[in-house]
Parts: sequence; C-alpha cells; structure tokens
Amino acid sequence: KAGVTQTPRYLIKTRGQQVTLSCSPISGHRSVSWYQQTPGQGLQFLFEYFSETQRNKGNFPGRFSGRQFSNSRSEMNVSTLELGDSALYLCASSLSGGTHNEQFFGPGTRLTVL
Amino acid sequence: AQSVTQLGSHVSVSEGALVLLRCNYSSSVPPYLFWYVQYPNQGLQLLLKYTTGATLVKGINGFEAEFKKSETSFHLTKPSAHMSDAAEYFCAVSPGDFNAGNMLTFGGGTRLMVKP
Repeated sequence: KAGVTQTPRYLIKTRGQQVTLSCSPISGHRSVSWYQQTPGQGLQFLFEYFSETQRNKGNFPGRFSGRQFSNSRSEMNVSTLELGDSALYLCASSLSGGTHNEQFFGPGTRLTVL
Repeated sequence: AQSVTQLGSHVSVSEGALVLLRCNYSSSVPPYLFWYVQYPNQGLQLLLKYTTGATLVKGINGFEAEFKKSETSFHLTKPSAHMSDAAEYFCAVSPGDFNAGNMLTFGGGTRLMVKP
C-alpha cells in the first residue's frame, strides 16, 4: 500500500507570493491533518479535514487555509507569504476521525520563503 | 488545553546503554499519548501509543513506554541503544475523545545521539 505522498517536496517562494501544497492520503483514509514544523516553534497543528469538512483548526492566521476533495486528497494554501512561513509542512492521514487511530505522516514539503 | 514537555532537547548514550527519553503532559481530559520518531529528511513514524488499558505499552524497534497518571508522565525507554536509533523523538498528546478529531499536541522533541 502506498504511503502518504506530498508534492512538491521542496519549494522556494518570495515574500508576498502564495503557495499551494498537496497531500494524497493512504488509500481508504478519510482524515487528513496538516502540521507546520520549524526549529523555533516545533511541530504545530494547522488543521484537520474529515470527509471534506474542516474539523479542527490550530492557532494560525487566516492566510493559512485548506480543503479536502471527495477523493480525500487535500491541499493547503498560504497567501501573502512571510519569512516566518519557512518551514517543513507535514501532512498526516488516518482511517477515520477518531484520535485513537494512528496517523501516518508524509515526508513533508519544505517551503523556503526569501 | 493540552501541553507536552520533553525534558532534554539532546540526549547522548553509548551503544548498548539504556535509552530514557522523558515526557510529561498536561491534559484536562483523559489523554491519548504517542511517541513518534523522525529521521533526517523524513516524516514522523509512530513508535507506540497509549489509549486505554495496559499502562505499559510496547512499540516497534524494542521501545516501550509506561503511562503514569499520578506523575502525568509517559517516558520512553529501550534497554539497549543501537546506532540506528539516532534520530529525533517526539512525544504527543491528543484528547481521549473520539469526537475531538485528530489533533496532536507535540512536545519540543529530543534528539538522541548514540556513540559507538
């Protein structure tokens, strides 16, 4: 079974631009969560989608948004990029929405904002 | 609100020595607890989890952790370190509520170094 895939793996943008990151969950998984990882703030929860609905949202500004499609694939968008948005963005999928389910993480997309 | 504290951002052990990575949590509801490992340029891999039941949890690669409610701790141990264990380890907590969704709160991470 293929794991969680994230595209692109690396991305370089300049301040003020916007970016879209993509995540394909494991086949059959309906929940997709996004996390931001930085050296200063560590791993922080961005949001979770389950059956195309946002279930939870972390403490991030409205510039960060996401969506989930009917095939469970998810995208996250960051508008008006700031230098501080440079991070590893991790996507995780799980079978359903219950917190006892294992979340499987993708390799991440490393975003660099210049 | 939930929080996780990992004592020691860097831990160094000799190959064959005991590995002990410390994790303390704060949660207003009964938590689910997790340990993840991250190798360079990779995502996170689940080592083990505690949801309910037995408080001593065994995971992959010889790791285990014990949930101690009275101490609000979930320390990770391995009897004998191997060079391949060198990685960053994250403790995480989520609300033990099915309806709360998949929201993990992570500790700051502990980088484990294994000396030959």
